[in-house]
Amino acid sequence: DTGVSQNPRHKITKRGQNVTFRCDPISEHNRLYWYRQTLGQGPEFLTYFQNEAQLEKSRLLSDRFSAERPKGSFSTLEIQRTEQGDSAMYLCASSFLQGTAGYTFGSGTRLTVV
Amino acid sequence: DAKTTQPTSMDCAEGRAANLPCNHSTISGNEYVYWYRQIHSQGPQYIIHGLKNNETNEMASLIITEDRKSSTLILPHATLRDTAVYYCIVRVPLTGGGNKLTFGTGTQLKVEL
Repeated sequence: DTGVSQNPRHKITKRGQNVTFRCDPISEHNRLYWYRQTLGQGPEFLTYFQNEAQLEKSRLLSDRFSAERPKGSFSTLEIQRTEQGDSAMYLCASSFLQGTAGYTFGSGTRLTVV
Repeated sequence: DAKTTQPTSMDCAEGRAANLPCNHSTISGNEYVYWYRQIHSQGPQYIIHGLKNNETNEMASLIITEDRKSSTLILPHATLRDTAVYYCIVRVPLTGGGNKLTFGTGTQLKVEL
């Protein structure tokens, strides 16, 4: 297990289309987080899961966004009816349940809405 | 959420120590300070964290002032590969025991020959 894996690395889509991203966390990690990063800014928290339960969502996560972690392993983030403002890097991270160790981030999925 | 303030950019000569400051004057007593860095087009990489005491690991040292209102990340012997954006973050607890990292715009560290 070499880390957090995200697919695809890049996605170009037309405005109005739906897109789905996948994140495979480190297998021993119970917590999984999604962040979004726009150009020149630091990442912003979107949502997080503990096992399969989605425990908190940011106000940034509009109704067009939905995230799932059906079996407590991989997670998907879907954006419906994409808008140009959704263009960003979407980052996934995972961590252990216990302790204060930092997250491990994946390399992200860069979304471009044209 | 506690906010952090960092210089926008810093330069450092290769082989010298890089000292990156951070102010977090509104930090609460039980909030940890975390440092991450991000190399272009990659996800952020965890460096180190601390609560009250100074900390050291294989990557860096973290010095936290006694009043906890500021901290300094020290890279003892900077290399060209340390060129990155460095984020100082106060971790915020979430429902269920998870935590949120509130990133600012960070410090762009440039290590030069």
